[in-house]
Amino acid sequence: DAGITQSPRHKVTETGTPVTLRCHQTENHRYMYWYRQDPGHGLRLIHYSYGVKDTDKGEVSDGYSVSRSKTEDFLLTLESATSSQTSVYFCAIREDVGRATDTQYFGPGTRLTVL
Amino acid sequence: QKEVEQDPGPLSVPEGAIVSLNCTYSNSAFQYFMWYRQYSRKGPELLMYTYSSGNKEDGRFTAQVDKSSKYISLFIRDSQPSDSATYLCAMSRTNAGKSTFGDGTTLTVKP
Repeated sequence: DAGITQSPRHKVTETGTPVTLRCHQTENHRYMYWYRQDPGHGLRLIHYSYGVKDTDKGEVSDGYSVSRSKTEDFLLTLESATSSQTSVYFCAIREDVGRATDTQYFGPGTRLTVL
Repeated sequence: QKEVEQDPGPLSVPEGAIVSLNCTYSNSAFQYFMWYRQYSRKGPELLMYTYSSGNKEDGRFTAQVDKSSKYISLFIRDSQPSDSATYLCAMSRTNAGKSTFGDGTTLTVKP
């Protein structure tokens, strides 16, 4: 168990409302990621972080922002939710550099529905 | 065109069959290759990883990477009903994350 939790696990909201998803890790790793998973699109990277207050965009970052004020927490915010953001959101962590691998460990996911 | 293409499936096989799952890619800079398994309504979990070309075996699972053909495969021997899941290939240029994932192949192993 990689020690990753996500909250909430399920959320239904209305178009135009702000939504914040939380990812919490107990492993003290530097790298954290937010993905969304949709049928026909697989896992797509939204934003990632390589340290406290160090974040960068992924391939589908429009409409999303992130913050990381502590090593253990990575927040994903939808400023004004739209129906196209209905998806399953996964947080992931990566073990720190030094291994010949690029593997990630995923949280249980948050199922978000925007009506 | 996507950087990573995965055989779409779904795939249904009888218990005990050998399963082959495949991905092709277009970015020759990819060096790290991973296979994840995802059970229904769960997060993906790492199954196998390979750096550069070659084969890697772990129990009933074998991962193959052919960089000259830009082709990777995952073989499952003596498949079991517990192997029923969606399998995702992933690959990256560096070991700093930002993997590119295939869309996944859903496998059902029937008793």
